[in-house]
Amino acid sequence: KAGVTQTPRYLIKTRGQQVTLSCSPISGHRSVSWYQQTPGQGLQFLFEYFSETQRNKGNFPGRFSGRQFSNSRSEMNVSTLELGDSALYLCASSSGILPQETQYFGPGTRLLVL
Amino acid sequence: AQTVTQSQPEMSVQEAETVTLSCTYDTSESDYYLFWYKQPPSRQMILVIRQEAYKQQNATENRFSVNFQKAAKSFSLKISDSQLGDAAMYFCAYRSLTGTYKYIFGTGTRLKVLA
Repeated sequence: KAGVTQTPRYLIKTRGQQVTLSCSPISGHRSVSWYQQTPGQGLQFLFEYFSETQRNKGNFPGRFSGRQFSNSRSEMNVSTLELGDSALYLCASSSGILPQETQYFGPGTRLLVL
Repeated sequence: AQTVTQSQPEMSVQEAETVTLSCTYDTSESDYYLFWYKQPPSRQMILVIRQEAYKQQNATENRFSVNFQKAAKSFSLKISDSQLGDAAMYFCAYRSLTGTYKYIFGTGTRLKVLA
């Protein structure tokens, strides 16, 4: 089974721009979660999508948004980029049904905002 | 709101020795799951071990075991016979069983294994 894939792997943007990141979950998985990872803050939960609906949301400003398509692929969009948005963005997939199930993480997209 | 705290930003262990990584959490819930995830350098995060809060028995996976103290809200990870491949960031995570199953992660502990 192919793992979770994320594209692109690296991005450099400037302040004020917007960016879209993509995540393809493991085949059959209906849940995709997004996290922001920074050295000081660890992993912070952004949001989770399950069957095309946002099921969970973290404490991030409205500049961070996402969506999920019918094939479970998910995109995350950040508008009006700020220097503080520089981070590794991870997505994780699971079936989304059992709370004890494993999340499978992608390799991440490293975003640098200049 | 739930919180997860990993108070050790970095730890070192000699190869073949044992090391314990600490994690404490705060919650008012009685039922939940706890996880340890490992993130090797430049590699993907993987699950190491999980613990159901309603189970008193500590989870074990080969050289990895936990010390789960529910009353103290403590969930430490013990790595026995440490190997060079254990070098990684380790994240403790809490998952609520009420509402929408949100995950909360700690800030991580970087483990160095010395040859």
